Amino acid sequence: EVQLVESGGVLVQPGRSMKLSCAASGFTFSSFPMAWVRQAPTKGLEWVATISTSGGSTYYRDSVKGRFTISRDNAKSTLYLQMDSLRSEDTATYYCTTHRYNWFAYWGQGTLVTVSS
Amino acid sequence: DTVLTQSPALAVSPGERVTISCRASESVSTGMHWYQQKPGQQPKLLIYGASNLESGVPARFSGSGSGTDFTLTIDPVEADDTATYFCQQSWNDWTFGGGTKLELK
Repeated sequence: EVQLVESGGVLVQPGRSMKLSCAASGFTFSSFPMAWVRQAPTKGLEWVATISTSGGSTYYRDSVKGRFTISRDNAKSTLYLQMDSLRSEDTATYYCTTHRYNWFAYWGQGTLVTVSS
Repeated sequence: DTVLTQSPALAVSPGERVTISCRASESVSTGMHWYQQKPGQQPKLLIYGASNLESGVPARFSGSGSGTDFTLTIDPVEADDTATYFCQQSWNDWTFGGGTKLELK
């Protein structure tokens, strides 16, 4: 059974940093590109970042370029999202998800990030 | 960015047929996918490539369309289908529609 378990979401002040993790199991992690998708409270879904199987290629939405860094450790089957210079508009539940071609096949339960002073 | 537009909400009775629409601001060919999100849960993939049913998803769900206009159909609707349904395009990066909240009468 595919499992994606996110962690690291907390309350943080604007301008600070935090790092999310996603532990994967039940599939060959290194064979799938991975992504982070977020959902602000009572809002829709928003793609944040994608990383290739090797980690050699990364893609970001414009609003997080230069502030967020997606990475992966295939030996640990873990996906990461380093978030710097956080803003109030980054407040959301962050989901870890697998790419299957160009859609998102499996999703974690999400971790809530709240940016507030 | 490719903008996806969905109607905000629909209300139907169990046993009826419901169609949920998604319109793209530019052609996305068949790069359209559908997800179901129940309250307090993560999204779940239903349809990929506009019309392909994800494994394990009931055959009551179907998708159609190409270019800019797409439809998710549930026939017949069951009480458990109460959820918000999102479309997502993959032709130009990855963007989602605002979601359609389906309520049962």
